[in-house]
Order: sequence, then C-alpha cells, then structure tokens
Amino acid sequence: GENVEQHLSTLSVQEGDSAVIKCTYSDSASNYFPWYKQELGKRPQLIIDIRSNVGEKKDQRIAVTLNKTAKHFSLHITETQPEDSAVYFCAAHPTSGTYKYIFGTGTRLKVLA
Amino acid sequence: DSGVTQTPKHLITATGQRVTLRCSPRSGDLSVYWYQQSLDQGLQFLIQYYNGEERAKGNILERFSAQQFPDLHSELNLSSLELGDSALYFCASSVVPGQGGEQFFGPGTRLTVL
Repeated sequence: GENVEQHLSTLSVQEGDSAVIKCTYSDSASNYFPWYKQELGKRPQLIIDIRSNVGEKKDQRIAVTLNKTAKHFSLHITETQPEDSAVYFCAAHPTSGTYKYIFGTGTRLKVLA
Repeated sequence: DSGVTQTPKHLITATGQRVTLRCSPRSGDLSVYWYQQSLDQGLQFLIQYYNGEERAKGNILERFSAQQFPDLHSELNLSSLELGDSALYFCASSVVPGQGGEQFFGPGTRLTVL
C-alpha cells in the first residue's frame, strides 16, 4: 500500500552544521515530493518541493534530492540556525489514483546553540 | 496567512458530544483535505474532497463524517466524542489534485474532549 517512511524521529545538530532528513516512499506512481516545516503549535508550511523529473532542487540553505530508483528523497539543510528547529514532514503525492498526499511521521530537528 | 480559514480556533467539549469544524479553502482551490494531529504525532490523513465529491478516505473513524458544500467550504463532523479524539485538526486546500503542488494548511482547530 501507500506508505512514506521517515526514519528519524529526532535529529540534533550543532548550530552551523548540516542536517539531512531522509524519507522512503512505496508508491511508484508518486511524482511530487514536498517538505513541510511545522513550528510548535503552528500549521505546516511548505519549505521546498521536488517533482520526479528532477533529481535535485536548491533554495538558499535548503535542498532536496530525489532518487527514483531507490524510492527515497532527502531534505538537506546547511549552516543550521536555531530558527530551523521544528518538526519536518516529508510527503509523497501521486498524480493518479486518489491524489492524496501521504505524509511521513515527522522528524523533530533540534539545532543546539 | 495561507488563505485557508478554520473555525473555531479552539473547542472544548465533553465525551459523548458532537462538534462541527469548519474550513474555507483558498480562493480558487477545489480540493480540501482534513488531517488529525494528536500531541507530538504526525499528520493523520482523514478525508479528501474535490469540487464537492469525496475523493479519498484515510483513517477516518465511522463516528466522523465530512462534506464539501457547493461554495467549496467543508465541514468535519465528529460525534460520540472520546478523550482520544482530542487533537489539532487541520484543513488544507490545493488547486487541483493530481498535478502536484502545494497544500495550503489552515491554522487548525484545537479540540479538547474532557
């Protein structure tokens, strides 16, 4: 069935270091992969996304890579800052079938000063 | 501000009661999704509507129901409430499902069942 595994529930890094969060998806029909950031008590907000015809996408300190063969995609944050501390959710979205977004279970990133 | 509105912001009620949560999607968005987020948990997909029709169901309990009206706003009805239903309920909208693209989340309704 449709499933997105987000392997790390918590990740702690020192300020200035890089953070990588990886997700694995099962539905090969998935071709849109967003990452959402959720601060405590707030709504999830899109920070970056990638479509299946692209292998990597960057936006300043944030990047996402996609390996379609292995069915995994990763969020990369460089030069982490305290304000990057939040819960990050990955998701996979097929462009056929039910069209629902399948979310991972979330990774709590803690950036230590 | 995402353009998605949800009311009420907070709701406190007792076990056994029934409540209705309301969501208005962004202007132009035809698809509405409902999610449940329990404390320190992930986003559990409940149900999706597209242009008034149910499109997909997730782990939605039989005590819960939803609908999307002709003006595209949506309501999530929760009945026979239990303590475990206490959670943050998010509504999200997107333009057209199946094309990828951002889901815009509302601010959520925090439901507390006492």
